[in-house]
Amino acid sequence: DAGVIQSPRHEVTEMGQEVTLRCKPISGHDYLFWYRQTMMRGLELLIYFNNNVPIDDSGMPEDRFSAKMPNASFSTLKIQPSEPRDSAVYFCASSPRGQYYEQYFGPGTRLTVT
Amino acid sequence: GQSLEQPSEVTAVEGAIVQINCTYQTSGFYGLSWYQQHDGGAPTFLSYNALDGLEETGRFSSFLSRSDSYGYLLLQELQMKDSASYFCAVRTTDSWGKLQFGAGTQVVVTP
Repeated sequence: DAGVIQSPRHEVTEMGQEVTLRCKPISGHDYLFWYRQTMMRGLELLIYFNNNVPIDDSGMPEDRFSAKMPNASFSTLKIQPSEPRDSAVYFCASSPRGQYYEQYFGPGTRLTVT
Repeated sequence: GQSLEQPSEVTAVEGAIVQINCTYQTSGFYGLSWYQQHDGGAPTFLSYNALDGLEETGRFSSFLSRSDSYGYLLLQELQMKDSASYFCAVRTTDSWGKLQFGAGTQVVVTP
């Protein structure tokens, strides 16, 4: 299995630009999670999906952030417009049905907003 | 509210044993997970405890006491490659499938 795939691995953009992060979960996994990690705030859950349906988006910072999962093999996290405080590493993770505690993380996208 | 507490850093020599404690306060509790993260890498799952007691996986073991709201990760026969951050994470009843991660413990292994 290829594991969770994320793209791009690095993204540098200017404030005000739109940023789209992509994730392909492990085939057969029912749950997909988007996290953000910073030194100040640690690892934060932004949103998670179950069978492509958003279940909890209480961690999404504000309306500038949106996430979609159009099918079982693809999800996007979009930031528009981006701000310097959005600079962080964004991880996507997936887990199989019934094993929510065992999440498989992708390599992450390091986002820098200047 | 919910909170998890774990030490920020632990230093030990190769071959030693390290115990990383995690205390939690949650409105509901299902279980405690542990993850490892090397610098520049992604978190990787180590273990999960839903019931009281010790779970052993090779050189790593994890313990849970639900009555004390306490768990620990035990790293034995430390190796240089064990230098990493270790996170405890609580799965709560607030939102099915959601994990809340602690701030992490940086383990530094010295020769």
